[in-house]
Amino acid sequence: AQSVTQLDSHVSVSEGTPVLLRCNYSSSYSPSLFWYVQHPNKGLQLLLKYTSAATLVKGINGFEAEFKKSETSFHLTKPSAHMSDAAEYFCVVSDHGGTSYGKLTFGQGTILTVHP
Amino acid sequence: GAGVSQSPRYKVTKRGQDVALRCDPISGHVSLYWYRQALGQGPEFLTYFNYEAQQDKSGLPNDRFSAERPEGSISTLTIQRTEQRDSAMYRCASSLEGFKKLFFGSGTQLSVL
Repeated sequence: AQSVTQLDSHVSVSEGTPVLLRCNYSSSYSPSLFWYVQHPNKGLQLLLKYTSAATLVKGINGFEAEFKKSETSFHLTKPSAHMSDAAEYFCVVSDHGGTSYGKLTFGQGTILTVHP
Repeated sequence: GAGVSQSPRYKVTKRGQDVALRCDPISGHVSLYWYRQALGQGPEFLTYFNYEAQQDKSGLPNDRFSAERPEGSISTLTIQRTEQRDSAMYRCASSLEGFKKLFFGSGTQLSVL
């Protein structure tokens, strides 16, 4: 079984300051991990993904995440927040044990607010 | 089309009515997924198709929910005898075959009164 816990339901930062969105996962197999972003009235967009290659993954819009197996974490970071980063972010796990398709397990989401 | 298209964008219905939600995937995408997102929650997997074959329907909550994709392209998710607890955002996604990047549509917001 796989699960995802996003440790903060809301994060608020000032423009230009760093962003940290925390995620812990549980998986019975070697997981694939993702971060998706959801802007209001838009579809979910893939930010980045980890699939057992480099543990530090770079995504779009300056975001990156580090896979830490010992801590079962996959936190999302960005050095400097922009107003356009305000959105809801989902940490997602896909357990490959017996599946080879996009049956994803989403976290509950973290709403990021960016203040000017 | 340019992206995954879902219709209607909003659906308001009365308890007990049947509803049909449509998904038009990206042209050439073999795999199609349905997810449901309740308010304040992340999306939850409902069902998955490869071409016209329904490969996994383990996420459908009960037998009032069904989905089809008869020609391997457009898919319809049908909810019979709707209940208030069915109110949610229903999201469709498509991908190339296998475990590839999922492209999500904007969703259908269903409200059951």
